Amino acid sequence: QKEVEQDPGPLSVPEGAIVSLNCTYSNSAFQYFMWYRQYSRKGPELLMYTYSSGNKEDGRFTAQVDKSSKYISLFIRDSQPSDSATYLCAMSAIGGGGADGLTFGKGTHLIIQP
Amino acid sequence: GAVVSQHPSWVICKSGTSVKIECRSLDFQATTMFWYRQFPKKSLMLMATSNEGSKATYEQGVEKDKFLINHASLTLSTLTVTSAHPEDSSFYICSARDWRRGNQPQHFGDGTRLSIL
Repeated sequence: QKEVEQDPGPLSVPEGAIVSLNCTYSNSAFQYFMWYRQYSRKGPELLMYTYSSGNKEDGRFTAQVDKSSKYISLFIRDSQPSDSATYLCAMSAIGGGGADGLTFGKGTHLIIQP
Repeated sequence: GAVVSQHPSWVICKSGTSVKIECRSLDFQATTMFWYRQFPKKSLMLMATSNEGSKATYEQGVEKDKFLINHASLTLSTLTVTSAHPEDSSFYICSARDWRRGNQPQHFGDGTRLSIL
């Protein structure tokens, strides 16, 4: 079983819809959870950074972490065509990846239809 | 803030040549830099971690003599792919963080697309 599972999609939704992206993981040591957005031929851009279980909101984005279920989510409200990108979940046992780097999901390719 | 610059963005070269990729932190000091590799439609895979002034730590399966990493200053790390072959063609991405700033996340460069003919 892979450490982090993420549905690669593509996920296609109409503009204005609420988007739900998810990852599951197996390593109970993970405490720091991140969502990155990656446009084609670009590096990942940090969207959300959370610690342990709970919710965090930033503008149109909401990140949820349920450590008991080993499940994390990213919600995007009022989705825009410019949100079309690949969304990567990442996690680590130590803040910022510590000395061990991050473990990434495969990424979900999101398409927002105008 | 927290800008990481990677150069070059794209390089094409012949099989057997060596290629050097630079990763610079522009507005912060990077005590730790990470090098990742990404294949099309695949996840980022950590290759190695380097701390300024120390030897890099390589992940299992990554050849340290093939992928030479130097982190001689707090703002620059380099990855040299030695005697590159077509199977080394990939998207290489660096990230950086300052461990002295606590649990701050990594910041990524824009990647280098390496194509070996």
